Amino acid sequence: AQKVTQAQTEISVVEKEDVTLDCVYETRDTTYYLFWYKQPPSGELVFLIRRNSFDEQNEISGRYSWNFQKSTSSFNFTITASQVVDSAVYFCALRPNTGNQFYFGTGTSLTVIP
Amino acid sequence: DSGVTQTPKHLITATGQRVTLRCSPRSGDLSVYWYQQSLDQGLQFLIQYYNGEERAKGNILERFSAQQFPDLHSELNLSSLELGDSALYFCASSVVGGENTEAFFGQGTRLTVV
Repeated sequence: AQKVTQAQTEISVVEKEDVTLDCVYETRDTTYYLFWYKQPPSGELVFLIRRNSFDEQNEISGRYSWNFQKSTSSFNFTITASQVVDSAVYFCALRPNTGNQFYFGTGTSLTVIP
Repeated sequence: DSGVTQTPKHLITATGQRVTLRCSPRSGDLSVYWYQQSLDQGLQFLIQYYNGEERAKGNILERFSAQQFPDLHSELNLSSLELGDSALYFCASSVVGGENTEAFFGQGTRLTVV
């Protein structure tokens, strides 16, 4: 079975705090791809990052960083020094190599309070 | 701008009616996906086309159908509309068969059935 779980439904933080969004996935495929998308209040889905299952290097892009751990089937997303513009719903997604679908988690709604 | 164009942006129609949503993928992308996002269901995969052929099917109702044309644009047809069909409908595209790459989403069509 393919599944993505984002246990945190809603998170609120005060501006400049760090926040980590959790993502746990399930797949039997040995090759797969993980993604994070951002959905701001305007509604569009914005691609943030892709990680291949054979590449466990963590990635940092500005205030964003991603921690991929195959041992725990997790792909967590950390925003450092959060800003109001980070307020959005964030989706984690899984794409197994053998299928054609993206499996999305239910999303985490992040509110950054000024 | 993701490069994926969806029209119309908003659509209000009555129950029992039929509507067509249109999607133009990014230049060079052969694969098109349709997703439905409603408040209580999250992002639901409907269907995928690759170079004109149906490639994967998700939770798509029999009242819904889609196709991808030779110029690679795609249309999602929704008929006998019900109040519960009110949702944000996203189209996404990716290169080749979609393996190894992320999907880029359009801005969505917000359908309201009254």
